[in-house]
Amino acid sequence: DVVLTQTPPTLSATIGQSVSISCRSSQSLLDSDGDTYLNWLLQRPGQSPQLLIYSVSNLESGVPNRFSGSGSETDFTLKISGVEAEDLGVYYCMQATHAPYTFGAGTKLELK
Amino acid sequence: EVQLVESGGGLVQPGASLKLSCVASGFTFSDYWMSWVRQTPGKTMEWIGDIKYDGSYTNYAPSLKNRFTISRDNAKSTLYLQMSNVRSEDTATYYCTYYFDYWGQGVMVTVSS
Repeated sequence: DVVLTQTPPTLSATIGQSVSISCRSSQSLLDSDGDTYLNWLLQRPGQSPQLLIYSVSNLESGVPNRFSGSGSETDFTLKISGVEAEDLGVYYCMQATHAPYTFGAGTKLELK
Repeated sequence: EVQLVESGGGLVQPGASLKLSCVASGFTFSDYWMSWVRQTPGKTMEWIGDIKYDGSYTNYAPSLKNRFTISRDNAKSTLYLQMSNVRSEDTATYYCTYYFDYWGQGVMVTVSS
């Protein structure tokens, strides 16, 4: 199975600060169809996960553009340019290139 | 508005069987692959498997393949997860989702004697 390693496990930020989360894969997530199925999800406290970014860098409809994703092959990053209070929660990367699909352990974003 | 509503969870004894349902609305259910994902009490996320839009093909996490079965009834816009011989480690919140874009509210399953 593909192992996704997320760092850091916890992130403390002030409102307005820019932060980044790393997700490293144990193997390339480039699919034979040319796409890379690496997604980022946010789970706010008490809520279901929400898709933020799909295929590395594509912003899901309705997601603020302070969120951005980048990377390739095995190394990916989620950046939040100016944290807002509503961004607090746990961020997961997940891959849907290789079955079984797998998730990172999560990064908890807290207010400093 | 897309809605996915899971049901069928609860407290179940080890070794028992349980069937979860997910009723979909707000989109053409029969056009989409659907997945089940679970989240443990420790917040670990695990993909269980998925099913093709016409129900003709399923994929499973290898560790669950022998005990879990995914099916669907497109006439009822409903996705199912049949769980058999459940274990304490199956205690989790179970979500249905399509393309990880829309998620249900989740249903809790607790396996305990």
